[in-house]
Amino acid sequence: GESVGLHLPTLSVQEGDNSIINCAYSNSASDYFIWYKQESGKGPQFIIDIRSNMDKRQGQRVTVLLNKTVKHLSLQIAATQPGDSAVYFCAEYESNDMRFGAGTRLTVKP
Amino acid sequence: EAGVTQFPSHSVIEKGQTVTLRCDPISGHDNLYWYRRVMGKEIKFLLHFVKESKQDESGMPNNRFLAERTGGTYSTLKVQPAELEDSGVYFCASSRTLQGPQHFGDGTRLSIL
Repeated sequence: GESVGLHLPTLSVQEGDNSIINCAYSNSASDYFIWYKQESGKGPQFIIDIRSNMDKRQGQRVTVLLNKTVKHLSLQIAATQPGDSAVYFCAEYESNDMRFGAGTRLTVKP
Repeated sequence: EAGVTQFPSHSVIEKGQTVTLRCDPISGHDNLYWYRRVMGKEIKFLLHFVKESKQDESGMPNNRFLAERTGGTYSTLKVQPAELEDSGVYFCASSRTLQGPQHFGDGTRLSIL
């Protein structure tokens, strides 16, 4: 599979617990944000998105929170499962092009 | 619906050689993007096509990289001549609309020896 960056922030949680992954973005003009999940050897997979006119959006077991005041985005995963283990990236849209954050590695302990 | 497909999945070449990566977007997606992830770094934008036109190529590192999308369907990314620092995973993505969710292929892992 794909090699992992040595300096990737990591989060380790127990199976069944809730996970919160945080992301700070840089451009106050960004108006659309996406969370992606990347498993080893695969491309980023869309999880959930949110536009800047919202501060919260919920999906199945996932919630994205947007705080535009401090330019902060978070992804909450409820009842984390082993299959949730992956690298999670936030991405922001600047104009019509997307820019990724550094990523966080989530490890779920059984 | 078939997803974004990339070919090859893996390429190992020597410095100075030429390599061409191919991306087939999801049918009907006018927007096609190339990204790359170099070891230990985040995924970086390279360029964006809208149909056959280059909308934004501000992320292309230098003139050794040439991307094309003739006919507005599949795209190729050619690296000529390849250098050691070009090693990494090259991702392609497509979307139906501007500022819509991008769907990614599984990438091409490029290794330059």
